[in-house]
Amino acid sequence: GAGVSQTPSNKVTEKGKYVELRCDPISGHTALYWYRQSLGQGPEFLIYFQGTGAADDSGLPNDRFFAVRPEGSVSTLKIQRTERGDSAVYLCASSLGMGQDYNEQFFGPGTRLTVL
Amino acid sequence: AQSVTQPDIHITVSEGASLELRCNYSYGATPYLFWYVQSPGQGLQLLLKYFSGDTLVQGIKGFEAEFKRSQSSFNLRKPSVHWSDAAEYFCAVEGDSGYALNFGKGTSLLVTP
Repeated sequence: GAGVSQTPSNKVTEKGKYVELRCDPISGHTALYWYRQSLGQGPEFLIYFQGTGAADDSGLPNDRFFAVRPEGSVSTLKIQRTERGDSAVYLCASSLGMGQDYNEQFFGPGTRLTVL
Repeated sequence: AQSVTQPDIHITVSEGASLELRCNYSYGATPYLFWYVQSPGQGLQLLLKYFSGDTLVQGIKGFEAEFKRSQSSFNLRKPSVHWSDAAEYFCAVEGDSGYALNFGKGTSLLVTP
């Protein structure tokens, strides 16, 4: 079956602009995660959705970042007034749920965001 | 707070040689530990995971890892490396949240002929 997909694969924007990054999780996965991977670093947790609600957004760096998942499937990560420091690969992952047998996270290929 | 250290930024091995990638974690309770591989343009792929029980864990692509509580380590091994194993490898620990993964900075593996 299809894996996690993310669009666009690359996004170049100018400082101060607004961007939206989209994630399509694996069908039937109730849990969805966003991570950010800066150059030379491992992914860092941003936000976790269980169903439609953001269960944990403690990893969002500031209030310019926001994410939604209105129907419990597709999620959009929104970044306002982009800054050069926001340049990174944004990874989305999904899992069946929580608990040992259900929490394996399947990752998408990521969106590479470049802020000029 | 939970954290993961991967001491080696780059490792080069010859094709057919054995491989060991190091991972040390910091976590008070019994950790849930993972190894992921990331190839260029690809998403992170889970190689193996440890939750409890047998400390030697078998994964995909011929990889295995051993959990050693006394050393706070979860090193990844492969007896014979193939050129297609060249990639970035990440160790991760799932912490108190029960879902958020804390990743190390990764080890880049280069395989020479």
